[in-house]
Amino acid sequence: DQQVKQNSPSLSVQEGRISILNCDYTNSMFDYFLWYKKYPAEGPTFLISISSIKDKNEDGRFTVFLNKSAKHLSLHIVPSQPGDSAVYFCAASGLDSNYQLIWGAGTKLIIKP
Amino acid sequence: DTEVTQTPKHLVMGMTNKKSLKCEQHMGHRAMYWYKQKAKKPPELMFVYSYEKLSINESVPSRFSPECPNSSLLNLHLHALQPEDSALYLCASSALTAGEAFFGQGTRLTVV
Repeated sequence: DQQVKQNSPSLSVQEGRISILNCDYTNSMFDYFLWYKKYPAEGPTFLISISSIKDKNEDGRFTVFLNKSAKHLSLHIVPSQPGDSAVYFCAASGLDSNYQLIWGAGTKLIIKP
Repeated sequence: DTEVTQTPKHLVMGMTNKKSLKCEQHMGHRAMYWYKQKAKKPPELMFVYSYEKLSINESVPSRFSPECPNSSLLNLHLHALQPEDSALYLCASSALTAGEAFFGQGTRLTVV
């Protein structure tokens, strides 16, 4: 049973526009959420995180929104740049996962020039 | 220094070989991890070390043997691997077992 779901395997966005990546989770005990970016044959790079006591966290072009009642989070990238083309993984952790990261399947973001 | 360094970057080994993957971090992190990642899949947790002690072993076959010689180093000893063990092996570290983990670039392992 997947506890963290990224239902879009891929997303194509025009350069300069907003990219919105979505993630849903089922475990209400998760209290910390993270987004990682991954290029092929490289390790994931930490992008941004949010604690369950917040509903928004912003870092430059990246903003993560958390809707606890809907068990949904999203990553907004504005404006999208060609270097943003990568696979984005959502991950969550909480007490009953022993704070280990539970990963979504990833969404491949393609930024078109 | 926010890097996790893994060596080697690439490794090809036969099924009878013994090899080791190495990982190093100098961020003072006390939690270190080994992950395995297959193409188009999320990282899959193998082992967690917390304060140099193995705290989690996710039912990994004994042909994978982790070792944490000190708080900065993590090794993964490989012996009698199978072709299906071919994958990207990732090391990561974090300040605590809760919080963001920083990943190395990985070792691309091919078992022939």
